[in-house]
Amino acid sequence: QVQLVQSGAEVEKPGSSVKVSCGASGGTFSSYSISWVRQAPGQGLEWMGGIIPIFGTASYAQKFQGRVTFTADESTSTAYMELSSLRSEDTALYYCARHPGWDNAFDIWGQGTMVTVSS
Amino acid sequence: EIVLTQSPGTLSLSPGERATLSCRASQSINSRYLAWYQQKIGQAPRLLIYGESSRANGIPDRFSVSGSGTDFTLTISRLEPEDFAMYYCQQYGGSPWTFGQGTKVEIK
Repeated sequence: QVQLVQSGAEVEKPGSSVKVSCGASGGTFSSYSISWVRQAPGQGLEWMGGIIPIFGTASYAQKFQGRVTFTADESTSTAYMELSSLRSEDTALYYCARHPGWDNAFDIWGQGTMVTVSS
Repeated sequence: EIVLTQSPGTLSLSPGERATLSCRASQSINSRYLAWYQQKIGQAPRLLIYGESSRANGIPDRFSVSGSGTDFTLTISRLEPEDFAMYYCQQYGGSPWTFGQGTKVEIK
């Protein structure tokens, strides 16, 4: 059974960038897409966008357009999310999640990466 | 953007009771593009049901969905102790994909 394993917690200063990784353990990305979802402390879930690794094509929610970049390395089955110009409101738990094809439900989730933005 | 509104915010029930959770969309969506997730404290969300009524791997049949257009319902026929958690609906038919704000099912 494939698991998504994310990188560890990060503490960043306002204005800086953070890059979070998401690796497929026990399998590959194959024909799956990877989306990124964040959850601020005590809040709900927010979709940031996603990437189709085999094509390298990404789609971004308008809210994050220009500030977030998704990439993927098919050879290592690892996806990355880089968020720039960090502000305190970006403090959240960031999840990667797998979905078949594109417009499908998220069947496997990473464990989450806590990103704290603080001066 | 399609806004999903879940109600109630909190549902207080006892084990063995029936839970009915609502998800209302700001515009009509194809039920094929609706999913429900369960999230427990300190854990990532887990897919419960997707598409028109497909249960994810390992999800028991006490979980079911109904509805169409703008009104959808997740029903848990008989609550088990492990079902007390937060539940989110999600639509992935119109960008940006959106989640409801969640319904907490708590022990009464």
